[in-house]
Amino acid sequence: AQSVTQLDSQVPVFEEAPVELRCNYSSSVSVYLFWYVQYPNQGLQLLLKYLSGSTLVKGINGFEAEFNKSQTSFHLRKPSVHISDTAEYFCAVSDSRGAQKLVFGQGTRLTINP
Amino acid sequence: EAQVTQNPRYLITVTGKKLTVTCSQNMNHEYMSWYRQDPGLGLRQIYYSMNVEVTDKGDVPEGYKVSRKEKRNFPLILESPSPNQTSLYFCASRASGFYEQYFGPGTRLTVT
Repeated sequence: AQSVTQLDSQVPVFEEAPVELRCNYSSSVSVYLFWYVQYPNQGLQLLLKYLSGSTLVKGINGFEAEFNKSQTSFHLRKPSVHISDTAEYFCAVSDSRGAQKLVFGQGTRLTINP
Repeated sequence: EAQVTQNPRYLITVTGKKLTVTCSQNMNHEYMSWYRQDPGLGLRQIYYSMNVEVTDKGDVPEGYKVSRKEKRNFPLILESPSPNQTSLYFCASRASGFYEQYFGPGTRLTVT
């Protein structure tokens, strides 16, 4: 079974500042990793995913994440945030053998202050 | 437009009154899934379906039923809703062999 821990429930930052949202996972098998974003009153949208290959993954809206197998982490970063990045961000993991079940973290609410 | 639709978007009901939340996708996806979202808990999987007539339990299936008679539809049934099923529900789908899930807009359910 897999589990995901997002280390911060809320992250406030100023506009144009860098941000890192932290995600750690546990699994006894190899995994696929995802970051989803949920804008207010909307469904979830995929930001980026790691399936294999390069450990640095680039996604939409200028976000990127780095897979670190030894530290079982998949932290999300953006060098300069905008007001429009205000949203809740979810890290998720699935078993790479079948990917039937997607396990989500608790979510991190990113608030951008002007 | 490729999308996952859910109906209704908002529902207030009373304990014990059977209800169905519909989910439909127009992308010919094989895989569909239901999640509930609760504050501080993230999203938890209720049921999923790998294809027509193939369903399986997720992490929190108690109190829910599903069926998959057609590829495009995956309704969620609450036979006897209880207040602890008050939540925000999401349906999602993906194509076989691909791992990006497409989410519906959500259904906010309140059981009094």
